Amino acid sequence: QLQLQESGSGLLRPSQTLSLTCAVSGASITSPIYSWTWIRQPPGKGLEWIGFMHPSGATYYNSSLESRTTVSVDRSKNQFSLKLTSVTVADTAVYFCAGVGAAAHFYHWGPGTLVTVSS
Amino acid sequence: NFMLTQPHSVSESPGKTVTISCTRTSGNIDDNYVHWYRQRPGSAPVSLIYEDILRPSGVSDRFSGSIVSSSNSASLTISGLETEDEGDYYCQSYDPTSHHMIFGGGTKLTVL
Repeated sequence: QLQLQESGSGLLRPSQTLSLTCAVSGASITSPIYSWTWIRQPPGKGLEWIGFMHPSGATYYNSSLESRTTVSVDRSKNQFSLKLTSVTVADTAVYFCAGVGAAAHFYHWGPGTLVTVSS
Repeated sequence: NFMLTQPHSVSESPGKTVTISCTRTSGNIDDNYVHWYRQRPGSAPVSLIYEDILRPSGVSDRFSGSIVSSSNSASLTISGLETEDEGDYYCQSYDPTSHHMIFGGGTKLTVL
C-alpha cells in the first residue's frame, strides 16, 4: 500500500522559499506506475494543483505557479520535493503530495501539511 | 485548459439519493477520464470513483459515477445517504494538451 508523508517548513516570511518533502513508502520513487504531484488548499477554499513529475522525468506545472515552482525527486531517499520561491501570504495553504496513477487518477494522498506565510 | 464546474453545495436527507454534477466547459466530457474525491474537514481527499465509473477497493457501492454526454458532464451519485457522507466532493480530470491536472471547485454535501 502506497503511503506518503509531507514534511518541511511550516512558517515562512514573505519572499522566502517554501521547501517541502514527501516521503514515499510502499513503492519505489522510480516506479513507472506513478507520477508524483503536489496540490494545495488555501484555508476554506478548494484544491489547486501545483505540479507533477512524470516517470519519464518530465515535469509539468500549473501555469499560474510555473515561474516559481520546482518539483524534483531524490532517488536515494525515495522521496520527492517541492520548492516554491518568493512566497506571499497568498501561498498560505495546506500542501498535499500524492501519487498519480494511470489516467491521472490521484490514488494516494499524504495527510497534508500547513504552510503559513506571515510577516 | 478546460474547467470543471460543480454546484457549490447540495443537501439531502438520510437514506435518500443525491447526485453531484461536474460540467466540462470546453471539449467533450468523455475526452478524458473524470475522477471523484471526498474530503472531510481536516483530512486529505480520498478517492471514491476513478476513470468515470470505477470504485477503488474498499469504497462502498453506494457511490457510483457516470457520464452524461447530453450535458457534457460527469456525475457522482450517492445512494442511501448517511451522515458520515457529509464533506466536500471534488471532480478531477487531466488536460493532455497542457499536461495540467484540473480540479472542480468542489461541492459541499450536507446530510440533514
